[in-house]
Amino acid sequence: AQRVTQPEKLLSVFKGAPVELKCNYSYSGSPELFWYVQYSRQRLQLLLRHISRESIKGFTADLNKGETSFHLKKPFAQEEDSAMYYCALEGRGSTLGRLYFGRGTQLTVWP
Amino acid sequence: EAGVAQSPRYKIIEKRQSVAFWCNPISGHATLYWYQQILGQGPKLLIQFQNNGVVDDSQLPKDRFSAERLKGVDSTLKIQPAKLEDSAVYLCASSSDGWRGRLNTEAFFGQGTRLTVV
Repeated sequence: AQRVTQPEKLLSVFKGAPVELKCNYSYSGSPELFWYVQYSRQRLQLLLRHISRESIKGFTADLNKGETSFHLKKPFAQEEDSAMYYCALEGRGSTLGRLYFGRGTQLTVWP
Repeated sequence: EAGVAQSPRYKIIEKRQSVAFWCNPISGHATLYWYQQILGQGPKLLIQFQNNGVVDDSQLPKDRFSAERLKGVDSTLKIQPAKLEDSAVYLCASSSDGWRGRLNTEAFFGQGTRLTVV
């Protein structure tokens, strides 16, 4: 069964410090993974997807199949990064397009 | 492009009453999703439409929840009768080609409807 685990409910760092938001998944097969972000009073939006291997707003995420992880990283956090971050896995086959979300991690970046 | 529109933004009802939510997806998006997000949890899919057909409603409590997408555009989600545990944010999302066998399709979310059942 598909499952996404985000072990940290809350994460606080100071501006300029590195940040890593953890995500582990359970899936039989090759997963398609995403990070979605929700800034205060805004809608949930895509931050990045693993297949594109791109860096968005300085964030990167590497898929580690051996550890079944997809941690989100940024070397130097900014105050505007404060938001709720959700890791998500996309279903295959009959559940194509369906997203399985973790519970989210609330990131606070202090000045 | 205009985003996914949802209404109302907030709704408070008493248990056993009925309620309906409306969603207008991004123009041209064939796939529409309804997610339920209970406080402290991530969104959970309730139902997925492909045009006006249901693709996945395995997580929809069909004894009280119903959804339709007439004409393959707008959608409504109804709860009748509501229970206290239905208090949540109901998110509508749409994507352009999630049903065509292409992976990594971006889902665009609406602002959500916050339902409180008292």
